[in-house]
Amino acid sequence: QVQLQESGPGLVKPSQTLSLTCSVSGGSVSSGNYYWNWIRQPPGKGLEWIGYIYYNGNTYYNPSLKTRLTISVDTSKNQFSLQLNSVTAADTAVYYCTRVRGDSSSGDWGQGTLVTVSS
Amino acid sequence: QSVLTQPPSVSGAPGQRVTISCTGSSSNIGAGYDVHWYQQLPGTAPKLLLSGDNNRPSGVPDRFSGSKSGASASLAITGLQTDDEADYYCQSFDGSLSVVFGGGTKLTVL
Repeated sequence: QVQLQESGPGLVKPSQTLSLTCSVSGGSVSSGNYYWNWIRQPPGKGLEWIGYIYYNGNTYYNPSLKTRLTISVDTSKNQFSLQLNSVTAADTAVYYCTRVRGDSSSGDWGQGTLVTVSS
Repeated sequence: QSVLTQPPSVSGAPGQRVTISCTGSSSNIGAGYDVHWYQQLPGTAPKLLLSGDNNRPSGVPDRFSGSKSGASASLAITGLQTDDEADYYCQSFDGSLSVVFGGGTKLTVL
């Protein structure tokens, strides 16, 4: 049973960089059968796809975030990470990491971590 | 503005049947990409409810079913229970290699 756990600062100042890591246990980020995904949910709102990465480093980003976004994978640590630059209050959300199957469904989710952008 | 369109809310009495629609376009659902449904109970992470239009992961009761026609999909819940009160999201894939979500539907069990 794969488990995913998000970690990172809960508070980020405007214009700074939001950095989160997803640690994977019970499965390998090197598996060619899955993609590794970030999704966020602003308070009281719906789900927004951020982007995903394949084990070989190929990335696919939400066009609305692409200019500020970097997703990377560290196979040695069995982790993948998110960096979002120049954040504003609109980036305040619960951030989830998920494991994505070939049909694009996210069958496994982390518990989520709330990131607040505020000075 | 979500790429996939869902009704903001639906409601039903215990034991009844409700459906939640999810409307996309020719670049996502209409292009034949699978539709997946997630259930989000209050204060928790979403959980995969149905994948590949109508495949239930282990543990999901057969009261939940999905269908797809053209650029639209639907989630049906029969024998409504109070535990079903949650937010429901549809998700598909887009020809631009993007994952797309619906805006979510709040199910209230009266």
